[in-house]
Amino acid sequence: GESVGLHLPTLSVQEGDNSIINCAYSNSASDYFIWYKQESGKGPQFIIDIRSNMDKRQGQRVTVLLNKTVKHLSLQIAATQPGDSAVYFCADPQGRNNNDMRFGAGTRLTVKP
Amino acid sequence: ETGVTQTPRHLVMGMTNKKSLKCEQHLGHNAMYWYKQSAKKPLELMFVYNFKEQTENNSVPSRFSPECPNSSHLFLHLHTLQPEDSALYLCASSQAGTENSPLHFGNGTRLTVT
Repeated sequence: GESVGLHLPTLSVQEGDNSIINCAYSNSASDYFIWYKQESGKGPQFIIDIRSNMDKRQGQRVTVLLNKTVKHLSLQIAATQPGDSAVYFCADPQGRNNNDMRFGAGTRLTVKP
Repeated sequence: ETGVTQTPRHLVMGMTNKKSLKCEQHLGHNAMYWYKQSAKKPLELMFVYNFKEQTENNSVPSRFSPECPNSSHLFLHLHTLQPEDSALYLCASSQAGTENSPLHFGNGTRLTVT
C-alpha cells in the first residue's frame, strides 16, 4: 500500500510568494525521503532529498523540513516563479535494497503571474 | 537531456498488437525500473532489475513482459493490452547498493490502447 501521501492535490500561488507543499508518511522506519518535480510532458526530476537524521535541508530556493514526531515532511519553495509550475511528489524507498520507491499522489502547483 | 532515454515518446496500439518500449540509461547505474503513471493515481512500480536480475514484480499482468539484456538497457514488451493499460510508462535507473540513491527518470512513453 501507499506509504506516503500528499495533503492537497492542487496549490495556486502568486509569482514571488513562497510555496509550501506537504506530505505525510506512515512508515516510522523510513529513513530517507525525496522530492520530485514533474513538468508537463516530462518524467519526474529529482529536486532534493533528506535523511532521517536531519530535520532540515536547503537547496537553491528550496528547503525540505522533516518532522519525524508526526511523520510529516514539507517542501518550501522561496520566491516562486512560473517555471516552478509542475506536479510535486514526495517519495520514500521501501523493501529489499530500498528499490521499492513509493510515491504520493502529487500536488499540482500553479504559479499565477 | 536526461541521462535516461525512452523510445518511442508516443505509441498507439490496438489490443491485438505486439509492441515494445525501450529504455537506455547513460548514468552507469546498475538498477533499472518500470513505472506506470495513470491519471490521478500515484506512480505504480511495475518491475525492478538489479544487476540485470529481476528482483521485483508487483503483480503485473503477464501481458507486460520486461527484458533487461544488460545494465544499460531495459525493454517492456506489450501483448494483447487492454484500454485500461493506457498510461504514461516511465523508466528509471539508480545505483543499487549505494545508500540514498534517488531514481533518475526518463520522459516516458505515452501509450494509448485502442
